[in-house]
Amino acid sequence: AQKVTQAQTEISVVEKEDVTLDCVYETRDTTYYLFWYKQPPSGELVFLIRRNSFDEQNEISGRYSWNFQKSTSSFNFTITASQVVDSAVYFCALSAETSYDKVIFGPGTSLSVIP
Amino acid sequence: EPEVTQTPSHQVTQMGQEVILRCVPISNHLYFYWYRQILGQKVEFLVSFYNNEISEKSEIFDDQFSVERPDGSNFTLKIRSTKLEDSAMYFCASSERSYQGNTEAFFGQGTRLTVV
Repeated sequence: AQKVTQAQTEISVVEKEDVTLDCVYETRDTTYYLFWYKQPPSGELVFLIRRNSFDEQNEISGRYSWNFQKSTSSFNFTITASQVVDSAVYFCALSAETSYDKVIFGPGTSLSVIP
Repeated sequence: EPEVTQTPSHQVTQMGQEVILRCVPISNHLYFYWYRQILGQKVEFLVSFYNNEISEKSEIFDDQFSVERPDGSNFTLKIRSTKLEDSAMYFCASSERSYQGNTEAFFGQGTRLTVV
């Protein structure tokens, strides 16, 4: 069975603080993809990143960075110097080899950045 | 920038009525998806569609649901006899290739369906 867990339901930080959103996944497949999506208050889903299971290199994109660790089945997301516009629900998601077109989303973490 | 377009943005329907949610995927995309998000909950996969047939579906996607690509541009989700628990945000997505093809899906802005 495939599963994505985001243990943090809600996080509040003060603007300019760094914040890390945790994601733990479960799959028996050796080949899979991991994703992060952002859902701002307006409701749409915005793609942030895709990472395949063979690429454990960490990635940085501006204030965003991702730490993929297969050993702990985690794919954590860090926002550096958070801004009010980062306030949103963030979803981690998994697509695995046995069922590539079926993307499993985690329950989401609601991030509030307070000015 | 190309985008996935969904209409209507909000639909209210009476229980038992049929409803059709419409989506216009990005023009060169070949894979199409529907997802559902009940208010305050996670996004759930419903169905994927490729080459004019369903490639994958979830247990949620039962006989009351159907998908169609009636012409070259639209991709629709039909709910035959709506129930109160069908109230949710429905997202359409499209991608150039399947997820294994190292590409991401682009999501529409969603249609909020309210069944009363």
